[in-house]
Amino acid sequence: NAGVTQTPKFQVLKTGQSMTLQCAQDMNHEYMSWYRQDPGMGLRLIHYSVGAGITDQGEVPNGYNVSRSTTEDFPLRLLSAAPSQTSVYFCASSYFLPQGGRQETQYFGPGTRLLVL
Amino acid sequence: TQLLEQSPQFLSIQEGENLTVYCNSSSVFSSLQWYRQEPGEGPVLLVTVVTGGEVKKLKRLTFQFGDARKDSSLHITAAQPGDTGLYLCAGVETAGGTSYGKLTFGQGTILTVHP
Repeated sequence: NAGVTQTPKFQVLKTGQSMTLQCAQDMNHEYMSWYRQDPGMGLRLIHYSVGAGITDQGEVPNGYNVSRSTTEDFPLRLLSAAPSQTSVYFCASSYFLPQGGRQETQYFGPGTRLLVL
Repeated sequence: TQLLEQSPQFLSIQEGENLTVYCNSSSVFSSLQWYRQEPGEGPVLLVTVVTGGEVKKLKRLTFQFGDARKDSSLHITAAQPGDTGLYLCAGVETAGGTSYGKLTFGQGTILTVHP
């Protein structure tokens, strides 16, 4: 299994440009999430999905759109990039086994480093 | 959204020393996870603590969940240069125990262990 993959690894955008950050997982996980990581702020949740066709907002959703048409893919769209969106973006996936108790494991991708000028 | 305060933010120690990282909140979490992150990579799960008062050990790392499930600590004994990295705590809020992909992260502790 490749796990969680993200593309591109690096991206430079100009203010106002749009782009899509790709995320895919091959573990058949139900849950997928997008986080951004900024210095001194840990990771903050942007959007998450509990299954194909179901998405919801996290802590910092403004300026970002998501959709989940398949279990495997969860793209993050920036419609009009702003310098405040300069960050490292991580996609994660996980599943929950009730019989296993609360031992859910999140698997993170390697990240996409985005610079908005 | 519940908040997790992690301290200290930076820790620079010599090889062989002991250290403790703290993760505190005013709210109760269903469970709490600790991650380690290397530069240029995503976080990797170290442990999940579920029960109030629970203690888990992973070689030289000891993780504890507070009795009230509002705080947690990570203690490293005899730190080694290979322990260098960013350590993150993350809380699961939902009552059922699953995060549904939603984790609340602390700010992180950057640990540097000098040879």
